Amino acid sequence: DVKVTQSSRYLVKRTGEKVFLECVQDMDHENMFWYRQDPGLGLRLIYFSYDVKMKEKGDIPEGYSVSREKKERFSLILESASTNQTSMYLCASSSTRGPGELFFGEGSRLTVL
Amino acid sequence: SQQGEEDPQALSIQEGENATMNCSYKTSINNLQWYRQNSGRGLVHLILIRSNEREKHSGRLRVTLDTSKKSSSLLITASRAADTASYFCATDAHQGGKLIFGQGTELSVKP
Repeated sequence: DVKVTQSSRYLVKRTGEKVFLECVQDMDHENMFWYRQDPGLGLRLIYFSYDVKMKEKGDIPEGYSVSREKKERFSLILESASTNQTSMYLCASSSTRGPGELFFGEGSRLTVL
Repeated sequence: SQQGEEDPQALSIQEGENATMNCSYKTSINNLQWYRQNSGRGLVHLILIRSNEREKHSGRLRVTLDTSKKSSSLLITASRAADTASYFCATDAHQGGKLIFGQGTELSVKP
C-alpha cells in the first residue's frame, strides 16, 4: 500500500525551539509539498520540491525552511518556533508522470507554547 | 493566494439524501480535483476532472465542471453517515503542478 508517512502526529514545543517535521514517501514520487491547515483558512502551501536538493517557496514560506537530501524524504524546519505557527502540517507527494493527484500523510499537529 | 472557494461552508443532511457542494475558482486550470478529509486526518483524493471534461462519475460521486463559469460541483448520492467529512476542491491553475485548495465544505450526515 502506497504511503506518505509523517514522523510525528502530535508535537508540543516551546517558543524559540527549533522544530523538525519529517515526511517520507515510498512511491518514488518526484514532487513533494508541505501545507499548513488552519480553521477558516484552508490549506496553504509553505514549500515544495520537484527534485532532490531542489526547493521552491509556496505562498507562506516566512519562518520556515525545508530540506530534501533524498528523493523520498522532505523535511520542514521551523528555525525558531513561534505561537502563530501552531497548526496542522500536512505533507503530500505526487508523480510528475501523473495527472497531479496528491497523496497526503496523516498530518502533524504542532502546538507552540 | 485563494483559488478555490467552496460553497456552502457547512452542510447537514439526513442519511439517504444527496449532498451537493460547489467550488468556484478564478483563473484558467488544467484540471480540478476533489479531496475528502476525515476529522484530524490527512486528505484523500476522490476524483479529478480535466478542463476539457464536463462531467465525471466515480461510484456515488458525480463531478461537473463549467469552465465558462469557472465552477465545479460535487454530488454525493444516497449519502451515508460515513460520508461525514470535509470536502475540498483544488486547482492547479497552470502553476507547475502545485495545487491551490479552497477552504472546504464540512458535511455532516445524520443517521
